[in-house]
Amino acid sequence: RKEVEQDPGPFNVPEGATVAFNCTYSNSASQSFFWYRQDCRKEPKLLMSVYSSGNEDGRFTAQLNRASQYISLLIRDSKLSDSATYLCVVNMIKGSQGNLIFGKGTKLSVKP
Amino acid sequence: DGGITQSPKYLFRKEGQNVTLSCEQNLNHDAMYWYRQDPGQGLRLIYYSQIVNDFQKGDIAEGYSVSREKKESFPLTVTSAQKNPTAFYLCASSRTSGGAADTQYFGPGTRLTVL
Repeated sequence: RKEVEQDPGPFNVPEGATVAFNCTYSNSASQSFFWYRQDCRKEPKLLMSVYSSGNEDGRFTAQLNRASQYISLLIRDSKLSDSATYLCVVNMIKGSQGNLIFGKGTKLSVKP
Repeated sequence: DGGITQSPKYLFRKEGQNVTLSCEQNLNHDAMYWYRQDPGQGLRLIYYSQIVNDFQKGDIAEGYSVSREKKESFPLTVTSAQKNPTAFYLCASSRTSGGAADTQYFGPGTRLTVL
């Protein structure tokens, strides 16, 4: 099983649609979870951290399911500006060191 | 402005040459990282540093070298031993690098092309 796995997409949705991305991770000891957004030929930017209780930031909702080892990102009322690649990021513990492992990303294209 | 800067934005190298990519941060972060991204691929960790004068190899360190003489700076040298150096190189930093892996913030990246 890959360390962090995402559906590569692309997800092509109309403006106003609701879209959900899932991500699975292999290390049950992982403690930190994030969603990053990456625009074409740009650096990744933090979208939101994912907490055990789930968290919401405007149109974006992140959920964590530790038992099944997956996290999700829900985007409501999609905007054209949401078009980007969304990276699922999970930390992997090696000794006392925690390094982040990045998924390959899910591409979202929002159409008028 | 606080942030992470990388230079140059674009870099062209002839085969057999070493090149050094710059990364500077003024966020007072202890930890710094170098990643490589290839088209359609996830980020892969090259080297990281938790503290000044200390650094560790990541998953793909062969053909690369780093130094961390100052907290603010973490330059990456791509040597001629790196077989496929053409890629997008991203530098990141975080407050700490403990077991919980603090949030990382990225610089704008350097796009390296070997001619």
